[in-house]
Amino acid sequence: GAGVSQSPSNKVTEKGKDVELRCDPISGHTALYWYRQSLGQGLEFLIYFQGNSAPDKSGLPSDRFSAERTGGSVSTLTIQRTQQEDSAVYLCASSSYGTGPYGYTFGSGTRLTVV
Amino acid sequence: KNQVEQSPQSLIILEGKNCTLQCNYTVSPFSNLRWYKQDTGRGPVSLTIMTFSENTKSNGRYTATLDADTKQSSLHITASQLSDSASYICVVSPVRAGTASKLTFGTGTRLQVTL
Repeated sequence: GAGVSQSPSNKVTEKGKDVELRCDPISGHTALYWYRQSLGQGLEFLIYFQGNSAPDKSGLPSDRFSAERTGGSVSTLTIQRTQQEDSAVYLCASSSYGTGPYGYTFGSGTRLTVV
Repeated sequence: KNQVEQSPQSLIILEGKNCTLQCNYTVSPFSNLRWYKQDTGRGPVSLTIMTFSENTKSNGRYTATLDADTKQSSLHITASQLSDSASYICVVSPVRAGTASKLTFGTGTRLQVTL
């Protein structure tokens, strides 16, 4: 596609429920990144996929967070047993380069609200 | 701990006026610095990127400067327009081809341009 597409754009969920956030990167981009942006905070790295390599999961805050990338394209970020502190904007970015910020394109994000 | 600090946190200016946003960082070793513009409800969009050897980079009415010795960068906006109202985020990468987890994002400066 022309840009990075994320869905849903907004999600309100009850505490304790599981949620799935979707990211559809730019076609041909081999690298995909998930970030979390909390109110008044800088972007927080969550996870990074590059081609068929094992993902860099060093930013995932707890084992309630997981992500998959199927077929080297679409990615799903799953948050299990959501907590109120999970409320944030979740941003996805893709890049045609393997690493580093060159060519980053961000999606518009999913605003998650846990009530 | 690598940090990126931005100032001011927020700024209100009249349309047509100039303004300068500041970014100080402690990331070392340093590779490159990028300024992003993030409109409300949208993902960040890249404005400029500078390596350690560059002192200035322009993109239309946006001019970024970098002093790698003092670890300071600024983003100057000339003849501001209402559409410049957004958050401006400074992002620093410590290595030329490092992993995404090493990027450090500032918390941003919220700019509002008024009539």
